[in-house]
Amino acid sequence: DIQMTQSPSTLSASVGDRVTITCRASQSISSWLAWYQQRPGKAPNLLIYKASTLQSGVPSRFSGRGSGTEFTLTISSLQPDDFGTYHCQQYSSYPWTFGQGTKVAIK
Amino acid sequence: QVQLQESGPGLVKPSETLSLTCTVSGGSVSSGNNYWNWIRQPPGKGLEWIGYIYYNGNTKYNPSLKSRVTLSLDKSKNQFSLKLGSVTAADTAVYYCARESYMMGSTVGLDHWGQGTLVTVSS
Repeated sequence: DIQMTQSPSTLSASVGDRVTITCRASQSISSWLAWYQQRPGKAPNLLIYKASTLQSGVPSRFSGRGSGTEFTLTISSLQPDDFGTYHCQQYSSYPWTFGQGTKVAIK
Repeated sequence: QVQLQESGPGLVKPSETLSLTCTVSGGSVSSGNNYWNWIRQPPGKGLEWIGYIYYNGNTKYNPSLKSRVTLSLDKSKNQFSLKLGSVTAADTAVYYCARESYMMGSTVGLDHWGQGTLVTVSS
């Protein structure tokens, strides 16, 4: 199985801050990576697929970069609505696997 | 607007079979553009992909669960289902159904999810 490792595990930032989350794959996954936001008690919500393509309806402050084994999710200006846990997911090969999650709190 | 809704028992006894159904509205499980997935999340932990079923009945399972999992499709009810046998406390989790969409030959990820249902394995 491909292991996905996210860092940091938790972060706290202020409204307006630029926030970056990193996801590393244990082997190359090309650009077959998705990012999800999960608010407490809710289902994950797709933000980005194919490493950098913004899902329809997702605010443009979210962006994704990377290929191969290293990927980033950036929130250009953190908003109060952006709290929650962010998950990366590889879909290069089965079984699909997720990172352990990065919990984002608003200061 | 596509919506998915999980249903099934919230409590299952150890060694028994967990059975959940996902009802799809606003979309069709007969669509060749979608794969229908199950994902679970133990309390306080990360997400684990269980498997998918395609409109033609093709399935793919996580090898870690393959011996205990069966996915099925009911096109007449626009539903798909999960059965997980010989459950233990380690199978306690929120179970999500989710739609995977394809566009121009490649997946665009899990773009619609059910709200999730907590299944507890306990005697």
